[in-house]
Amino acid sequence: NAGVMQNPRHLVRRRGQEARLRCSPMKGHSHVYWYRQLPEEGLKFMVYLQKENIIDESGMPKERFSAEFPKEGPSILRIQQVVRGDSAAYFCASSPRRGGTNTGELFFGEGSRLTVL
Amino acid sequence: DQQVKQNSPSLSVQEGRISILNCDYTNSMFDYFLWYKKYPAEGPTFLISISSIKDKNEDGRFTVFLNKSAKHLSLHIVPSQPGDSAVYFCAASGSGSARQLTFGSGTQLTVLP
Repeated sequence: NAGVMQNPRHLVRRRGQEARLRCSPMKGHSHVYWYRQLPEEGLKFMVYLQKENIIDESGMPKERFSAEFPKEGPSILRIQQVVRGDSAAYFCASSPRRGGTNTGELFFGEGSRLTVL
Repeated sequence: DQQVKQNSPSLSVQEGRISILNCDYTNSMFDYFLWYKKYPAEGPTFLISISSIKDKNEDGRFTVFLNKSAKHLSLHIVPSQPGDSAVYFCAASGSGSARQLTFGSGTQLTVLP
């Protein structure tokens, strides 16, 4: 499967715990976008990363959330001290270049669903 | 500030008929518009796109129309099939330093057999 791989697919955490979500982009893609989808809403941009660099984190909450995309290994979205409002589906998308393909397409994973008890 | 809006949260059509999903946007800097389809518990999958310099793009049963003066686009599916039942997201590309996709809130399409 050469698609975008996200894990875990489902994650349950209690308030105050940490959540780590992983994303392996498609082969040959070095650009990663993270999106969050709250219930009954659309996908909201959180952060854009290239290998070893955070390029744009304008959509990410200033506290408790961080992201990285190391030289080796998957991109990780980390949420510290989770609260109930963090319960959502988190989607990763990858691209061969900034802004997606020449028609703007991003390739999405199947998402990680975080439930905070 | 919603730059991409889908005002109909749901739409039901009979199998074989045409489905028309609508989308409005506010940012004239968008250069591509895309439609994604999403099934429950899955990620969005790309359906069709259109450049801002075009007014129509067709791919099989799917056609997207763009009206730049009205800042409006629509997706036509004809004929509609039960397997088309899903949430359809309108998205726009080209804004922000990341050139990320900006999504609407989605329309749940149900095609009745």
